[in-house]
Amino acid sequence: EAQVTQNPRYLITVTGKKLTVTCSQNMNHEYMSWYRQDPGLGLRQIYYSMNVEVTDKGDVPEGYKVSRKEKRNFPLILESPSPNQTSLYFCASSPDRWQETQYFGPGTRLLVL
Amino acid sequence: KQEVTQIPAALSVPEGENLVLNCSFTDSAIYNLQWFRQDPGKGLTSLLLIQSSQREQTSGRLNASLDKSSGRSTLYIAASQPGDSATYLCAVNDYKLSFGAGTTVTVRA
Repeated sequence: EAQVTQNPRYLITVTGKKLTVTCSQNMNHEYMSWYRQDPGLGLRQIYYSMNVEVTDKGDVPEGYKVSRKEKRNFPLILESPSPNQTSLYFCASSPDRWQETQYFGPGTRLLVL
Repeated sequence: KQEVTQIPAALSVPEGENLVLNCSFTDSAIYNLQWFRQDPGKGLTSLLLIQSSQREQTSGRLNASLDKSSGRSTLYIAASQPGDSATYLCAVNDYKLSFGAGTTVTVRA
């Protein structure tokens, strides 16, 4: 089944404790991205990747890192989480950035205490 | 910067009524526009993708139109059902996806 998976789905952590949210797609898509969704602010892009070893900042990259060492995986790293990073996070993938439908993962709900 | 607005923010209709959801955007230089459905606590499911050269797309009871020159798209859902209750998001792709805040739909049985 074609899908985008994220792990973990739910996470409670404390300020400053490094964490990684994994994202994997099995559709051989080149384009992958991360979004966060907050009430009243909608979905905002954090980082995106056009292909392996090619990443770039979205609208709200501060406090986040990403890497793209393999085509299928695009982990999101919070090196020192803070309470303002409490949010619902989505990973998405697409064959390309411009013309194709974007497929979203199920989301990761993060609470930073 | 692209601004995407969805009106109304919430909508409640009786079962069987047709739904009309509106999306407007400020910059008409787009590649495509996509409508998504989001159920509470769940991810986004793509409903329809309209390329900038197209005027509309249809899938079953769903029809989406695009008027790029006026910066508007409309999603029509015919003969609504309680299972259509969800939040509907419009996303405009210029060089990245910009999302509206969504319209939360409740279909009453």
